[in-house]
Amino acid sequence: LAKTTQPISMDSYEGQEVNITCSHNNIATNDYITWYQQFPSQGPRFIIQGYKTKVTNEVASLFIPADRKSSTLSLPRVSLSDTAVYYCLVASGGGRRALTFGSGTRLQVQP
Amino acid sequence: EAGVAQSPRYKIIEKRQSVAFWCNPISGHATLYWYQQILGQGPKLLIQFQNNGVVDDSQLPKDRFSAERLKGVDSTLKIQPAKLEDSAVYLCASSPRLAGVPDTQYFGPGTRLTVL
Repeated sequence: LAKTTQPISMDSYEGQEVNITCSHNNIATNDYITWYQQFPSQGPRFIIQGYKTKVTNEVASLFIPADRKSSTLSLPRVSLSDTAVYYCLVASGGGRRALTFGSGTRLQVQP
Repeated sequence: EAGVAQSPRYKIIEKRQSVAFWCNPISGHATLYWYQQILGQGPKLLIQFQNNGVVDDSQLPKDRFSAERLKGVDSTLKIQPAKLEDSAVYLCASSPRLAGVPDTQYFGPGTRLTVL
């Protein structure tokens, strides 16, 4: 399984765009990049998933360069409620493997 | 759509006692996972079921942990006897598809276990 590296913590202010970068140097051909969000006292929640280039949904955007060795989760105009831990994961396209979580990035949004 | 249900939400026991956790996945989801999350760390997979068969239990401490998934639906995770280091949140997750792109996993709220 590809190992991921992401910052331990980040701070931001309400209304700003937040970009969290994750490196995954040994990603395999059939691996996807997946991001989950976890609030205190809750289970992780799926945010976005992509294979290459750019993916956007109502919550975030995911940018993946051509070499796929890194990816960036972009959260537009964060609010206090975006304070959470964000996990970058590499998941097999085979779909049957469980997720391998790292320690994640703790995002603190200030007013 | 109802989410993944877990009970109890909190449990406090003394070391060497036994404890069981219950999980009811989202209806129709074939795959069920149990994760252990120690404070400050990401979740770690304990066991993965596909319907009622075990797919991966390589990280399950089998000398004290056991799990079953009755009729491919509900699941229970048991610890017997508990140790202090078992204090953690136990998360259950389920996912709908068998193959293809990575499944989206839906997590329950977890059971917070404190071993004294």
